[in-house]
Amino acid sequence: QQPVQSPQAVILREGEDAVINCSSSKALYSVHWYRQKHGEAPVFLMILLKGGEQKGHDKISASFNEKKQQSSLYLTASQLSYSGTYFCGTARNSGNTPLVFGKGTRLSVIA
Amino acid sequence: DAGVTQSPTHLIKTRGQQVTLRCSPKSGHDTVSWYQQALGQGPQFIFQYYEEEERQRGNFPDRFSGHQFPNYSSELNVNALLLGDSALYLCASSRLAASTDTQYFGPGTRLTVL
Repeated sequence: QQPVQSPQAVILREGEDAVINCSSSKALYSVHWYRQKHGEAPVFLMILLKGGEQKGHDKISASFNEKKQQSSLYLTASQLSYSGTYFCGTARNSGNTPLVFGKGTRLSVIA
Repeated sequence: DAGVTQSPTHLIKTRGQQVTLRCSPKSGHDTVSWYQQALGQGPQFIFQYYEEEERQRGNFPDRFSGHQFPNYSSELNVNALLLGDSALYLCASSRLAASTDTQYFGPGTRLTVL
């Protein structure tokens, strides 16, 4: 039931783009994306709802393919501050159901 | 607007002891969820409280218990600590009736069991 994230880790140079995927074997209601820096709490990035549109703010956006039960997080023109571990959390129902998190994707942006 | 707060920040205990962790939700939120995050893993759901009742529970033994107070703050208690309980414990708050289910995390409590 745990979603599968890929890749496990990625190294980028400043200005490069990256895509992080999150796949589930079960039908999902929502996908939640978080970024966690070392020793800190996960910070909410965005939520994708079933039937919703692609979301985005600044240079980070995400999409949710209901047919494939897959969400993708797009980071464009990466900055040093994008470094951290990205987690997707999935929910199968609405109404504040608990999130099931993937194992995370470690992103390192270097100068 | 204060975010989610947790205390203490760090805690060191020995096997067999008991521990209590505390969480205050974000202003306007009424639901508190607790997660355990082992090193290098994603957060794993322990339980969720709403209206002072345990609403849902993950796959954790009865040694893990909780409480929610009328002001929506919450406590997580762990009895008979094991080495494997060493982890970052995260509290997340949300509003049950909100149109989206966004959960906001606190800074966490790092528990080390020796």
